[in-house]
Amino acid sequence: QSALTQPASVSGSPGQSITISCTGTSSDVGGYNYVSWYQQHPGKAPKLMIYEVSNRPSGVSNRFSGSKSGNTASLTISGLQAEDEADYYCSSYTSRSTPAVFGGGTQLTVL
Amino acid sequence: QVQLVESGGGLVKPGGSLRLSCAASGFTFSDYYMNWIRQAPGKGLEWVSYISSSGSYTNYADSVKGRFTISRDNARNSLYLQMNSLRAEDTAVYYCARDVLPYSSSSMFDPWGQGTLVTVSS
Repeated sequence: QSALTQPASVSGSPGQSITISCTGTSSDVGGYNYVSWYQQHPGKAPKLMIYEVSNRPSGVSNRFSGSKSGNTASLTISGLQAEDEADYYCSSYTSRSTPAVFGGGTQLTVL
Repeated sequence: QVQLVESGGGLVKPGGSLRLSCAASGFTFSDYYMNWIRQAPGKGLEWVSYISSSGSYTNYADSVKGRFTISRDNARNSLYLQMNSLRAEDTAVYYCARDVLPYSSSSMFDPWGQGTLVTVSS
């Protein structure tokens, strides 16, 4: 069982917006702004999409945005495109014995 | 460009050992904490270990503590993971990943290498 909870799957039509949630505790998501999101296409390495809750690395589309409220972080993808179909993982710094925890991943399907 | 390239994966019997390597380029390697993260087939991501920028500090997931050893050679821009007493449940793609922020363990990772597959089976 993953330390952070994500929905197993979400779907949306091209052009629509979707939001993926990532729920933790005050020991991780709620206590730190070191929350990040990764996109992973099949057979490929994860790619950083959002860091420090809401910052986009250079080269990442502004259709991707992140936010946090309490113990829950969210990734929103607007103007869905076919190429967005992938698995998405959240991660957070944690004060527990291991410094990093991941969510179980969310499979995004673009209908 | 910033790049990480892993090598050393393969098939090993339970109880065996393997050493993974990660070659870094395109950035000042000695400024960053480095991590190993793994992904079992069809499963999610699991953080395995980190090493500080100088190599003085290390940390491990409970699942590998006492069996795996992380190290680095800043002169060679290289990261390593020595894996001993391997178990079937260690079967995974192993990624090396740089911390986003210099001189810190922020647990945010960029970039990632392409991964190297470790299979533990008799």
